[in-house]
Amino acid sequence: AQSVTQLGSHVSVSEGALVLLRCNYSSSVPPYLFWYVQYPNQGLQLLLKYTTGATLVKGINGFEAEFKKSETSFHLTKPSAHMSDAAEYFCAVSDQDNQGGKLIFGQGTELSVKP
Amino acid sequence: DSGVTQTPKHLITATGQRVTLRCSPRSGDLSVYWYQQSLDQGLQFLIQYYNGEERAKGNILERFSAQQFPDLHSELNLSSLELGDSALYFCASKGGEGGQYNEQFFGPGTRLTVL
Repeated sequence: AQSVTQLGSHVSVSEGALVLLRCNYSSSVPPYLFWYVQYPNQGLQLLLKYTTGATLVKGINGFEAEFKKSETSFHLTKPSAHMSDAAEYFCAVSDQDNQGGKLIFGQGTELSVKP
Repeated sequence: DSGVTQTPKHLITATGQRVTLRCSPRSGDLSVYWYQQSLDQGLQFLIQYYNGEERAKGNILERFSAQQFPDLHSELNLSSLELGDSALYFCASKGGEGGQYNEQFFGPGTRLTVL
């Protein structure tokens, strides 16, 4: 069975600083990994995904993530934080034990950006 | 806008009551997933339908049920409501039955408050 752990329920950075949100996964098969963002009072929006191929994945809004199999990690980064990045971020893995492909989410990390 | 619609946006009801949440997937998407987001449990998968048939079940309570209609919209029925059922309920849709690498598109959610 797959699982996801996000380290740090709250991360605070200054505007212009590096954003690093950590995600570790557990999977017995090559994982399909996703990062979603949730702005206040909104649904989840896909930032990026890793399936196969290039391990550095670029997403929307300047975010990227690197799949590191040896570390079972899929950390999300952005070189320079913007005030509009303040939101909750969820890492997820697609359940491959089940043909339906439901998403298994981490607990989420709330990102605050200080001016 | 993800193309997934959910109604109502907010629902306030009393314990013991029954409610129905509605979801319309993106045009052409055959799979519908329901998730519950609560402070203590995080984002949890409830159930998945594909083209009218149940495909996968998560930790869905027996008091909860769902169905997908021929026009592909889905309804989640919650009965004998308890205070602990207060949560944000998301619907997501995806194009294929499997395709674990394909992203799910989330609706804006229905916020259920049980008093």
